[in-house]
Amino acid sequence: AQKITQTQPGMFVQEKEAVTLDCTYDTSDQSYGLFWYKQPSSGEMIFLIYQGSYDEQNATEGRYSLNFQKARKSANLVISASQLGDSAMYFCAMREGRGYSTLTFGKGTMLLVSP
Amino acid sequence: GAVVSQHPSWVICKSGTSVKIECRSLDFQATTMFWYRQFPKQSLMLMATSNEGSKATYEQGVEKDKFLINHASLTLSTLTVTSAHPEDSSFYICSVRAALYEQYFGPGTRLTVT
Repeated sequence: AQKITQTQPGMFVQEKEAVTLDCTYDTSDQSYGLFWYKQPSSGEMIFLIYQGSYDEQNATEGRYSLNFQKARKSANLVISASQLGDSAMYFCAMREGRGYSTLTFGKGTMLLVSP
Repeated sequence: GAVVSQHPSWVICKSGTSVKIECRSLDFQATTMFWYRQFPKQSLMLMATSNEGSKATYEQGVEKDKFLINHASLTLSTLTVTSAHPEDSSFYICSVRAALYEQYFGPGTRLTVT
């Protein structure tokens, strides 16, 4: 079974609108972390937001927020007030366990923001 | 966060030759670096974990004799693709482990083998 599932290959949104990118995960560990990265066409992976499994509040970073629903094992990324520069590939990733472990990435969602 | 550079940013080589890609941590001493490979329109796949002063740990299915990793200092890890073939053409990205749960990525190197 896939550990990270992103079911939306592509999403379209109009500038200034909000958009939600879906991510579900699968783990039996109690301690884990969830990440979102943005990859523009240049290729660089840009860290956006992190949510730990024990964090009670949803993480927020500027226009990015993570809608963490632990029971449903989902960690959706919400981008408010979309900008043209938000057009990029977005990856959800997970690390499992208490100690440091490597990241497992989902297949990504391509977001296109139109004027 | 940590600033990570990669060199070269893109390279074209002939089949059968070897290519070295450098990953540098510019402002952080990194005991651990990671190497990923990304095929077009696909996700990042971890190839190996590079630890300073010791042998790299390779993921299952990655040929360690083909993808040589050297992490000789706290600021530099290199990936050498030996006897490259067209199927090795890919986007190679390194990252630096800056804290327990933080990774910072380099800009990537696009390798094309003709």
